Amino acid sequence: EVQLLESGGALVQRGGSLRLSCAASGFTFSTYVMAWVRQAPGKGLEWVSTISDEEDRTYYADSVEGRFTISRDNSRNTLYLQMNSLRADDTALYYCARRISVSGTGAYDFWGQGTMVTVSS
Amino acid sequence: EIVMTQSPATLSVSLGERVTLSCRASQSVGRDFVWYQQKPGQAPRLLIYGASVRATGIPARFSGSGSGTDFTLTISSLQSEDFAVYYCQQYNAWPHTFGQGTKLEIK
Repeated sequence: EVQLLESGGALVQRGGSLRLSCAASGFTFSTYVMAWVRQAPGKGLEWVSTISDEEDRTYYADSVEGRFTISRDNSRNTLYLQMNSLRADDTALYYCARRISVSGTGAYDFWGQGTMVTVSS
Repeated sequence: EIVMTQSPATLSVSLGERVTLSCRASQSVGRDFVWYQQKPGQAPRLLIYGASVRATGIPARFSGSGSGTDFTLTISSLQSEDFAVYYCQQYNAWPHTFGQGTKLEIK
């Protein structure tokens, strides 16, 4: 059974840092593109970042470029999101998601339950 | 970035009705297009990718169509479990932007 379990969310002060983790199981993690998507309270979905299966390509939303870093450890089946210089508008539930294994398709077929990040001002 | 605009924001419908949700892209995304369903307190669920391909386990009452800039999601006969928020997303160009969502409510 595919499982994605996020952790690391917390209450943090504006300007602070946080590292989110997503532990994957039930599939061959190293062969899948992975992503982070966030959802502010009561709002819609916002794509944050994507990383290729071999970690050689990363992509970021403009809103987090230069502040967030996505990475992965395929030996530990874990995806990470290092978040620096946090702002109030980074407050959201952060989901880890697996990209579907259909070539050329950017859809996400499995999602974790999310970890909450709250940035206080 | 490509802006995805969903309409309407909220739709009140009755059980058994046929429902059509729309999403428009600010520029062509070909068929690089996805629909998700999200229920309260749950993660999004993939419904349709490639504009019209149903994901694994998705009932046949869900169908997607469109290409370029205009896309639709049709639910042929609304069931109680279909009341949720529906999001569209494009993956033709970075950033992979989402629409703001359409909420299906019970009439």
